[in-house]
Amino acid sequence: QKEVEQNSGPLSVPEGAIASLNCTYSDRGSQSFFWYRQYSGKSPELIMFIYSNGDKEDGRFTAQLNKASQYVSLLIRDSQPSDSATYLCAVANQGGKLIFGQGTELSVKP
Amino acid sequence: GAGVSQSPSNKVTEKGKDVELRCDPISGHTALYWYRQRLGQGLEFLIYFQGNSAPDKSGLPSDRFSAERTGESVSTLTIQRTQQEDSAVYLCASSSFGGGSTDTQYFGPGTRLTVL
Repeated sequence: QKEVEQNSGPLSVPEGAIASLNCTYSDRGSQSFFWYRQYSGKSPELIMFIYSNGDKEDGRFTAQLNKASQYVSLLIRDSQPSDSATYLCAVANQGGKLIFGQGTELSVKP
Repeated sequence: GAGVSQSPSNKVTEKGKDVELRCDPISGHTALYWYRQRLGQGLEFLIYFQGNSAPDKSGLPSDRFSAERTGESVSTLTIQRTQQEDSAVYLCASSSFGGGSTDTQYFGPGTRLTVL
């Protein structure tokens, strides 16, 4: 089992819809959880982080964390074509080392 | 302040040559990571430096790969006797470490390595 798992996609949604990206992790001691976005040919950039159970909202983005289920998700409301990218889930263990999933490719169709 | 910088941005080399890639982390960041990303693939962890602790080298794919870091500053990734399968973008990231949001990694622009 991989430490951090994501569906590779591609996930295709129409413009204006909600995109839901999911991630599971294996280490119950994980402390912090991050979502990065990577456009083709560019470096990953941080979208948001979460470390408490529940929801965290930032503009059109909502991160959801359920430590009991070892599950973290990212919702993108009112998806735009400019949101088309690969979304990387990353989990920090107790030692602070960040483990990345393989990423989910999102395509938002106009 | 300045972000993570990497040099060179592009490197073309011949099979069998050695290459050295450089990373300058954000000032004050104690943690530094190297990743490899092949075309269309995810991030592949290579090595992790945290302060003065022994580096986590568990991701290095072979003994042709090595990395050094001087204190909490510059790091160099060296690939000896390069092979065509080493062609990839090599990304460096740094973080301030300490748990929670401080584990946020900031990435450099990467070095695109092409081995002919």
